Amino acid sequence: DTGVSQNPRHKITKRGQNVTFRCDPISEHNRLYWYRQTLGQGPEFLTYFQNEAQLEKSRLLSDRFSAERPKGSFSTLEIQRTEQGDSAMYLCASSLAGLTSSYNEQFFGPGTRLTVL
Amino acid sequence: AQSVAQPEDQVNVAEGNPLTVKCTYSVSGNPYLFWYVQYPNRGLQFLLKYITGDNLVKGSYGFEAEFNKSQTSFHLKKPSALVSDSALYFCAVRGAGFQKLVFGTGTRLLVSP
Repeated sequence: DTGVSQNPRHKITKRGQNVTFRCDPISEHNRLYWYRQTLGQGPEFLTYFQNEAQLEKSRLLSDRFSAERPKGSFSTLEIQRTEQGDSAMYLCASSLAGLTSSYNEQFFGPGTRLTVL
Repeated sequence: AQSVAQPEDQVNVAEGNPLTVKCTYSVSGNPYLFWYVQYPNRGLQFLLKYITGDNLVKGSYGFEAEFNKSQTSFHLKKPSALVSDSALYFCAVRGAGFQKLVFGTGTRLLVSP
């Protein structure tokens, strides 16, 4: 399967613990995005990378959240000192951007569902 | 600021009938508009997009959408609904110069046999 993959698919943690999620984009895609989706809502943008550079961060991304894409391939999203309000589906997407492909659609992974007890 | 409104939480249609899922948007400059579908416990699947050109855009699984600049709308349509089309549909907009997608709250489509 050459789509976007995310691991783990489900994570249950206790409040105050740290969690880390991984996203592997489609191999030739140079842009990678993180979104958060809560029940009954559409996905909300968190941050995006072009290659290894993090170019935009949402105000939703508090200082407890950090994302990396160290080699311009896979990305990790870490949440420190989790809170119950962090419970959500975390979605990763990727796209190909360039001179003739700036408007390409984003392809989404299956998501990681986080439950904070 | 960019925003999307999907005024209907749920749309019910009988199999074989035409369906419409409504979407209106607000964005500065030219909009880039997208429709995605989400099945239970799965990520979003891309259906179609409008960037420029013809106002009627055709996409996957027989879906199409009509861009109307004066009404700032981008309604999703299908001439003949299938039971398997039952899912959650999201409209999204991207403003020129931005990379993030701004999504609506979603419309649940229920197609009855």
